[in-house]
Amino acid sequence: DTGVSQNPRHKITKRGQNVTFRCDPISEHNRLYWYRQTLGQGPEFLTYFQNEAQLEKSRLLSDRFSAERPKGSFSTLEIQRTEQGDSAMYLCASSFATRNTEAFFGQGTRLTVV
Amino acid sequence: DAKTTQPNSMESNEEEPVHLPCNHSTISGTDYIHWYRQLPSQGPEYVIHGLTSNVNNRMASLAIAEDRKSSTLILHRATLRDAAVYYCILRATSNTGKLIFGQGTTLQVKP
Repeated sequence: DTGVSQNPRHKITKRGQNVTFRCDPISEHNRLYWYRQTLGQGPEFLTYFQNEAQLEKSRLLSDRFSAERPKGSFSTLEIQRTEQGDSAMYLCASSFATRNTEAFFGQGTRLTVV
Repeated sequence: DAKTTQPNSMESNEEEPVHLPCNHSTISGTDYIHWYRQLPSQGPEYVIHGLTSNVNNRMASLAIAEDRKSSTLILHRATLRDAAVYYCILRATSNTGKLIFGQGTTLQVKP
């Protein structure tokens, strides 16, 4: 297993367009997390899945954002009608659903909205 | 979630030990102390975690104060590759596993 994989690594889009990012977690992991990181800040939690169920969403996740994990494997994060404030690094992480296990992060998708 | 306080930045010389402090005065009895680091242009990477006792692994050591209100991440011999942002995070055993990151400590390692 090569770890958590995110695609694309970089995305430039025009304001108002929709974008979709993909995350492939470590295959045995049943938890999958999405975070957003802006320049100079630590990552901020957005949402997480246990298997295919989305169990928590941050208030940061406006109604323009939607995430899915249809078969409990890979996940997608879609942003509709992008705004310049959506420019950030979007990070995915996965872990086992056991106490205090470590999370493994992907390298992220850098979104630039112009 | 309980809050942690870390210095914004620290400097170290290569091949010297580095002690990265973290204060967490509001820690509860069930909170584990986790450390992650983030190298430039990378996602965060797990370093170490502990509850009460000091912990060692191949990357680092974690020293936890007796009252658990502070902890120190110890890199025994800093290398240039250890230059990163280091995050100290409290995680409750009952929570969802999400990580609440602060701003962390930016460690610079000088050759």
